[in-house]
Amino acid sequence: AQSVTQLDSHVSVSEGTPVLLRCNYSSSYSPSLFWYVQHPNKGLQLLLKYTSAATLVKGINGFEAEFKKSETSFHLTKPSAHMSDAAEYFCVVTQNYGGATNKLIFGTGTLLAVQP
Amino acid sequence: EAGVAQSPRYKIIEKRQSVAFWCNPISGHATLYWYQQILGQGPKLLIQFQNNGVVDDSQLPKDRFSAERLKGVDSTLKIQPAKLEDSAVYLCASSFRGVRTGEAFFGQGTRLTVV
Repeated sequence: AQSVTQLDSHVSVSEGTPVLLRCNYSSSYSPSLFWYVQHPNKGLQLLLKYTSAATLVKGINGFEAEFKKSETSFHLTKPSAHMSDAAEYFCVVTQNYGGATNKLIFGTGTLLAVQP
Repeated sequence: EAGVAQSPRYKIIEKRQSVAFWCNPISGHATLYWYQQILGQGPKLLIQFQNNGVVDDSQLPKDRFSAERLKGVDSTLKIQPAKLEDSAVYLCASSFRGVRTGEAFFGQGTRLTVV
């Protein structure tokens, strides 16, 4: 079965410093991986996705993630944090039913705090 | 393009009462998901529809939860009777044809409090 492990439940950075949110996955086949962001009282929004194309994936708001098969990792990074980045971030893997449909399996989330 | 619509946004009920949530997915999206997000946890899939058929309901507590998607468009999720542990945000999402290469779009959710 597919699963993801988010290694940090809380991360705190200062504005303007780099962000690193860590995610490891477990999958019996080549997975699709996603990062979603959830701001308070708002819906989940897709940041970026990896679907077996380029291993370095660029997303919205300056975020990017690198798929490393040898390390089974898909860490999310951003060179310089902004106050508006404060939110909860979820690493997500798909589970394949064998057809066109799949389901999203969420990690437990990382709450990012950005200090002024 | 209109997003995924959910109602109500908030609901407070007493335990053993019943409650229903409604979801209108993005037009043309064949796949619809209901997720339960308990405070401090990641969303957990309750049920997934492909058009009006159920693809996965393995984590739906069928003794108290039910869901339907008539005509392959709108969907309702019902809890009867509710328990305290059902307090959570219930998220509806839809995707065009599954999420392996596409994207799931989420509604803002319904926050349920059972007292």
